[in-house]
Amino acid sequence: ILNVEQSPQSLHVQEGDSTNFTCSFPSSNFYALHWYRWETAKSPEALFVMTLNGDEKKKGRISATLNTKEGYSYLYIKGSQPEDSATYLCASTDTGRRALTFGSGTRLQVQP
Amino acid sequence: DSGVTQTPKHLITATGQRVTLRCSPRSGDLSVYWYQQSLDQGLQFLIQYYNGEERAKGNILERFSAQQFPDLHSELNLSSLELGDSALYFCASSPRDQGATEQFFGPGTRLTVL
Repeated sequence: ILNVEQSPQSLHVQEGDSTNFTCSFPSSNFYALHWYRWETAKSPEALFVMTLNGDEKKKGRISATLNTKEGYSYLYIKGSQPEDSATYLCASTDTGRRALTFGSGTRLQVQP
Repeated sequence: DSGVTQTPKHLITATGQRVTLRCSPRSGDLSVYWYQQSLDQGLQFLIQYYNGEERAKGNILERFSAQQFPDLHSELNLSSLELGDSALYFCASSPRDQGATEQFFGPGTRLTVL
């Protein structure tokens, strides 16, 4: 069973700050890494899926990188806005599984 | 709106009872996943179906069972309910049976066991 860990647990930033979170996962038998954004009272929404070492993905002000050899991924938010406030979840799967193992998330609050 | 629907939205029941949660995947998606979100835990994978067949099993209790019907909707049955089963239950769907495919989550069913 994979053990996916995220840090920090929570983060408070000011509007306009750039920030980043870390997701670590076992690198052996790695298959895919997912990032989801989960706003309060809504359901998780997929941001990125990455599979290859060195993958970088970008969606607007949010980007993510993947290092499968050392087992970590970073999520970056440039110029945070109050609407970025949410819990950011990462999840990993290995070659033997189809289902995702989620980390406990990083809760981001952006103060106007 | 992800296109995944779940009913009911809220469910309040007593210990020892049995409930059924329903999920309709996005149009065209063949995979359905069930997750449990308890107060003190992250999203825990329960079970996955693909085109009617069980494909993967996670931390699902023996008191819980699921199935996927020919029209691809899925039901999660929870029986002999305990207080600790109170949680938010999510269903997610994806087009393929593969771990590198993004999943689309429904709005969830909040179960409260009194």
